[in-house]
Amino acid sequence: AQSVAQPEDQVNVAEGNPLTVKCTYSVSGNPYLFWYVQYPNRGLQFLLKYITGDNLVKGSYGFEAEFNKSQTSFHLKKPSALVSDSALYFCAVRGDTGNQFYFGTGTSLTVIP
Amino acid sequence: NAGVTQTPKFRILKIGQSMTLQCAQDMNHNYMYWYRQDPGMGLKLIYYSVGAGITDKGEVPNGYNVSRSTTEDFPLRLELAAPSQTSVYFCASSYSRDSYNEQFFGPGTRLTVL
Repeated sequence: AQSVAQPEDQVNVAEGNPLTVKCTYSVSGNPYLFWYVQYPNRGLQFLLKYITGDNLVKGSYGFEAEFNKSQTSFHLKKPSALVSDSALYFCAVRGDTGNQFYFGTGTSLTVIP
Repeated sequence: NAGVTQTPKFRILKIGQSMTLQCAQDMNHNYMYWYRQDPGMGLKLIYYSVGAGITDKGEVPNGYNVSRSTTEDFPLRLELAAPSQTSVYFCASSYSRDSYNEQFFGPGTRLTVL
């Protein structure tokens, strides 16, 4: 079965500090991994994805994510958090067969000024 | 490009009423999806379509129906609304069957069933 786990419902970080939002996955075959961000009363916006190749993926707004195959993880990171990064973050996975994306339950990130 | 559009933005229904949530995309995407988002539950897939005339059930299809007569449109139908269908509904699309293509989401429809 394919699934995604985001173990933290809420992450708080001070502005200017590094942030990490955690994601682990389970999938048959090769994983394709995605991060999305959702601002209040808005749809999800694509941040970045891992397909193959370099384990460190860079995306929008200074975010990056590290793919770790042995730990089946795809944690989202940013070196210096901004107050405007406060939002709900979703990790998603799709296997190399099948038509569906599987989403985590989301992590609410609050950046404290 | 308008991307993925959804109407209405908000709706209140009485138990037993019917309605159609509209979704359209202008990116010529083959794949389209309907999700519902409940607090603390993430996104649950209701139905998806891999092209005009082809639809399939997702994780939570009961109480819903879909059709896909054109590439652009993918309406979601609620026949007999129930309080359990109170949720935020998102439509999404992606370019092709390739697994590495990300989804594009609409702004959502907030539905309340009383």
